[in-house]
Amino acid sequence: DGGITQSPKYLFRKEGQNVTLSCEQNLNHDAMYWYRQDPGQGLRLIYYSQIVNDFQKGDIAEGYSVSREKKESFPLTVTSAQKNPTAFYLCASSSGVATDTQYFGPGTRLTVL
Amino acid sequence: QKEVEQNSGPLSVPEGAIASLNCTYSDRGSQSFFWYRQYSGKSPELIMFIYSNGDKEDGRFTAQLNKASQYVSLLIRDSQPSDSATYLCAVNKGAGANSKLTFGKGITLSVRP
Repeated sequence: DGGITQSPKYLFRKEGQNVTLSCEQNLNHDAMYWYRQDPGQGLRLIYYSQIVNDFQKGDIAEGYSVSREKKESFPLTVTSAQKNPTAFYLCASSSGVATDTQYFGPGTRLTVL
Repeated sequence: QKEVEQNSGPLSVPEGAIASLNCTYSDRGSQSFFWYRQYSGKSPELIMFIYSNGDKEDGRFTAQLNKASQYVSLLIRDSQPSDSATYLCAVNKGAGANSKLTFGKGITLSVRP
């Protein structure tokens, strides 16, 4: 089956901890994206990557970091510098063409205790 | 003006009626437009995309784009209770390496049996 997987589905973090959210795709897509969604809000772009070993900040990158060492993988680290990390995190991918569609993974719900 | 704006909603229609969802955008250079459906607690799934002025139909769904007036709409004919969800409008402003989507906050549709 082709698709995007995210793990874990639920994640609980203590204040001051860094956590890493996994995103893997086997669609052979070049571009990958991380979004954050808060209750009653649309999606806000955190980071995106159009090719391996390159990524750009989105609209709300502060307190987050990413890497893109492989085409299939785009992990997101939520650092302790992120003051309000409780949210629903969504990973997406697309082939990278300007008018192409983004497909979403199932998401990770992060809660800070 | 917000980059992508959707009616605040919620919108409630009876089963079998036509649901009309509207979205306006601020950047005249926007190139492609997407409607996603998101059930509560789930990730967004693509309904339709459109990038030429006019109508595009897919089953019970019709997307309408008017670039001169900077709006895009989604019509759902013969609405069903299973259509009850939040609908997200997204606009692609960039191209190539700068391709990324900007999302509206979404509108919640409730279809009454």
